[in-house]
Parts: sequence; structure tokens; C-alpha cells
Amino acid sequence: EVQLVESGGGLVQPGGSLRLSCAASGFTFSNYDMHWVRQGTGKGLEWVSGIGTTGDTHYPDSVKGRFTISREDGKNSLYLQMNSLSAGDTAVYYCARVPFSCNSVTCDRYGMDVWGQGTTVTVSS
Amino acid sequence: DIQMTQSPSSLSASVGDRVTITCRASQDIRNGFGWYQQKPGKAPKRLIYSASSFQSGVPSRFSGSGSGTEFTLTISSLQPEDFATYYCLQHYTYPWTFGQGTKVEIK
Repeated sequence: EVQLVESGGGLVQPGGSLRLSCAASGFTFSNYDMHWVRQGTGKGLEWVSGIGTTGDTHYPDSVKGRFTISREDGKNSLYLQMNSLSAGDTAVYYCARVPFSCNSVTCDRYGMDVWGQGTTVTVSS
Repeated sequence: DIQMTQSPSSLSASVGDRVTITCRASQDIRNGFGWYQQKPGKAPKRLIYSASSFQSGVPSRFSGSGSGTEFTLTISSLQPEDFATYYCLQHYTYPWTFGQGTKVEIK
């Protein structure tokens, strides 16, 4: 069974740090891009970061310089290091799998086809 | 960044109704676009990718169309299990961006 399981969420003070993990199983992890998406309480979905199979990383401006996505293919694991946290970072954080295909010219990505159940991050004093 | 404008933000409909949700991109995203369904307390679920390709297992009453800047999700005959919030996503270029969501409620 294809599965993603997040962990590492919790309560952290403003200005603090937290590291989220996502354990993958049931598929060849190294063959997929992996992303993080978050959702504040009662709010919509927000894309947080993505990492390719070659380690290339992408972020929106809202987290660039504060969050770092990484992967460890030998452990089938995805990580999100979050620093300088503020109340606006309070959310459920989901990891998600992103399939893609490439030709000689370009690569097409197909959105997130598998999601974890989410882990909750609360930033509060 | 590409802005995704989704409409309506909410709608009320009855079982059996035909429902249409629209998403407009601020610039051409070709077919790098998808639709997601989310129920309360659950992770989102992909319905459509590449504008009109079905996720395996998605009922045929769901369909997606469009390319470029205008995209549509149609539910041909709304079922009780379809009451949820729907999001569009552009996955054409980074940073990826979601629409604001459309909550489909029971009339």
C-alpha cells in the first residue's frame, strides 16, 4: 500500500524551530518529487515547498529563507526544517508525492497524487 | 507568481444537480492544472490532473476541461458523498499556487 506518514508537529514558541518528517512506503521514493502543503485552521491550501529527485528545491516567498526541504532516499524520508516560526505558520502540514515525466526537452509534473494524513504545527507563546 | 482565481467561493446544490466550478489563471499555464477534493478533517484528494486527466478511481460524473487560463470542473449529477471543498492547483511553474476553494453544500 502506498503510504505517507508525517510526524514532528507540535507546539513551538514564536521564533522557534521545528523539523517535520514524512516516511514513505509502498513505492520507489527516489523516483518521485516530494512536496509539502499546509492548511491553516479554516483556511485554504498553501503550497510550501517541493524537492526534485536530483535535490533541486523550490519555495514560495512566504517561507523562503526560513524553511528548508530535504530528502533522504536511502531512508524513504522527506523532511521540512522550519526556522523563525511565527503565528502565521500555524497549520496542518501535509507531505505529498508528485509524479512527473520527462522528454528530451522538458519535464511535466502532475500535481500531488498521494497525500499523508498531516501533522499539526502550532506556533504560540 | 501566478494567481488562481476560483469561483464561486461556495454554492448550495441538491443531489442530482449539475455543478460547475471555474478557475482562472493570471497567465497561461498550458495544461499544468489540477482539481482536488477535501472533506473536513481529511487530506485533499486529487481528482483531475493535466486539466482533464482522471485520477484512478474517480467517478465518471467528475470531468475537467480547459487549457491556458480558464479551467472548469463539472460534476454531472451531484451525489451525497460529493459535498466537500474543491481546490484548483496550477502545477505548471513554481511557485505552485492553489485557488481559494469552493465549498459545495447541501441545499
